[in-house]
Amino acid sequence: KNQVEQSPQSLIILEGKNCTLQCNYTVSPFSNLRWYKQDTGRGPVSLTIMTFSENTKSNGRYTATLDADTKQSSLHITASQLSDSASYICVVFIEGGYQKVTFGTGTKLQVIP
Amino acid sequence: DTAVSQTPKYLVTQMGNDKSIKCEQNLGHDTMYWYKQDSKKFLKIMFSYNNKELIINETVPNRFSPKSPDKAHLNLHINSLELGDSAVYFCASSQGDRVHEQYFGPGTRLTVT
Repeated sequence: KNQVEQSPQSLIILEGKNCTLQCNYTVSPFSNLRWYKQDTGRGPVSLTIMTFSENTKSNGRYTATLDADTKQSSLHITASQLSDSASYICVVFIEGGYQKVTFGTGTKLQVIP
Repeated sequence: DTAVSQTPKYLVTQMGNDKSIKCEQNLGHDTMYWYKQDSKKFLKIMFSYNNKELIINETVPNRFSPKSPDKAHLNLHINSLELGDSAVYFCASSQGDRVHEQYFGPGTRLTVT
């Protein structure tokens, strides 16, 4: 069964600190992986996309890594800001078109002053 | 200049009622989706339309009926609402089968009492 598991479920950190969110997947055949940020009451917004051949990709203070061998991805947030408080969802896409997408349950991050 | 918009944003209704949620995108995409996000924040695809034709229909009760009058609109009609229908419903769009590049709407929070 294709699954995407994220950890931790929730996380509270102080403003200015770094944190790392984890995503493990069993999806196959893997096409690509995307991290989304979902603010409360809003739709998910894409942060970064990782393809099979990419190990790391940065988008400002967000850095995503991918280990396709161990089927793990991480999202590292540097120098956190209050506006980083949101849910972060790992989404894995399977080769082959429309239907094949699996969402993780997300990590709820709260950044406190 | 909202890319994907949904109305209403909030919907509170009683069991047994029939209600509709509307979705519109101005991105010029030809594929639109409906997702349901449950209380555990798990996103699950319900339907997908490409050029007004149904291409994905997950195991969703017949009480849910999507309608796509044109490529820019995908509405969701729900008959005989049940308590378990309470969730946040997200509309999304993409170009063709580029599901990994879909844009999400802001969501509609449906509460059935």
